[in-house]
Amino acid sequence: GQQLNQSPQSMFIQEGEDVSMNCTSSSIFNTWLWYKQDPGEGPVLLIALYKAGELTSNGRLTAQFGITRKDSFLNISASIPSDVGIYFCAGRLGAGNMLTFGGGTRLMVKP
Amino acid sequence: DTEVTQTPKHLVMGMTNKKSLKCEQHMGHRAMYWYKQKAKKPPELMFVYSYEKLSINESVPSRFSPECPNSSLLNLHLHALQPEDSALYLCASSQGLLKRQTNTEAFFGQGTRLTVV
Repeated sequence: GQQLNQSPQSMFIQEGEDVSMNCTSSSIFNTWLWYKQDPGEGPVLLIALYKAGELTSNGRLTAQFGITRKDSFLNISASIPSDVGIYFCAGRLGAGNMLTFGGGTRLMVKP
Repeated sequence: DTEVTQTPKHLVMGMTNKKSLKCEQHMGHRAMYWYKQKAKKPPELMFVYSYEKLSINESVPSRFSPECPNSSLLNLHLHALQPEDSALYLCASSQGLLKRQTNTEAFFGQGTRLTVV
């Protein structure tokens, strides 16, 4: 089946630094989503991407849908302590298909 | 109301117990989902209900039994679980028809942390 490779698996950065993480797939997706999950909570949708090449921002977060439709990245600018958590990418092929999740990127921010 | 509410938040049960997890949403969503999430892993889909009918069962063992009494409620009945079933169980809901719009994507609940002893 489809698999999403998400990297890096974890990052430990200084407050104020920019962060970049990405997901790659062996097959194409028509939708890419980025979620954040805090400890003991469910995932919260950050950004949804629906068109190849699309670049979308949500505050300090920016995500792009790769031209090949096989990858996506998420950037966080000027990180703050509350950015700590696990970030998951997820891809979907079509409206009737379920999400395929990446393995997650655990972000830790040092004040 | 833009929330998916799950109860209980934590549950400890023995291998011979019968328990139920509950999920409720009042957003008018017509698709509801159960996911299982082990520590440091992504969520894994278990079941999907669409318009109150079971549409996907991802080969889940019969000791997990889903139920959708109405369009706002989703239950997961548990019986004779094993310690390896300990995990975070997440409920999610979405509009019945995905329209490539952010507001049609799935909302997740906080989850029920299940421990089987």
